Amino acid sequence: GAGVSQSPRYKVAKRGQDVALRCDPISGHVSLFWYQQALGQGPEFLTYFQNEAQLDKSGLPSDRFFAERPEGSVSTLKIQRTQQEDSAVYLCASSLEGQGYGYTFGSGTRLTVV
Amino acid sequence: GDSVTQMEGPVTLSEEAFLTINCTYTATGYPSLFWYVQYPGEGLQLLLKATKADDKGSNKGFEATYRKETTSFHLEKGSVQVSDSAVYFCTSSGSARQLTFGSGTQLTVLP
Repeated sequence: GAGVSQSPRYKVAKRGQDVALRCDPISGHVSLFWYQQALGQGPEFLTYFQNEAQLDKSGLPSDRFFAERPEGSVSTLKIQRTQQEDSAVYLCASSLEGQGYGYTFGSGTRLTVV
Repeated sequence: GDSVTQMEGPVTLSEEAFLTINCTYTATGYPSLFWYVQYPGEGLQLLLKATKADDKGSNKGFEATYRKETTSFHLEKGSVQVSDSAVYFCTSSGSARQLTFGSGTQLTVLP
């Protein structure tokens, strides 16, 4: 597609519920990144894929967070047993190469845990 | 690890005023530097970039110069418009592929 598409746009989850956030990158983009943006803060890196390989997951805050990109295109970020501190906007970005100036960001999924 | 510190907001200016948003970085090696902008209701967009020392990035009247000696990348615009109202993020990209963002500066331009 023309841009990076994320769904759902908004998600409200009860504490303890599992959620799955989807990212459709630009077709042909090799690199895919997930970021977490808390209210009033800059985005923070979560994880990075090159094609289907997850090359860096150092930013995932706990083992409740899991990301996958099984066919090297669509990616899913899963959060198990959600907590209130997981409330944030989750951003996905893709690029042809892993260079910052080539990123295209999606509009994000706003997760609210109640 | 890498970090970016930028001027805290919010910043409120009148139309046609001069804008400066300060940004400093710490990094190992020589990162690439960027300013990203987030307009209300929209995703992050790259505003400008500089990939090596003394480079000047520019776009839409905005400028920023990569200063290695002061580890700075301040954003400037000579005459802001109402349409420039947005959140601005100073960002670096080092040897690791991910971006490191500052905390963002909310700019509001009044007519």
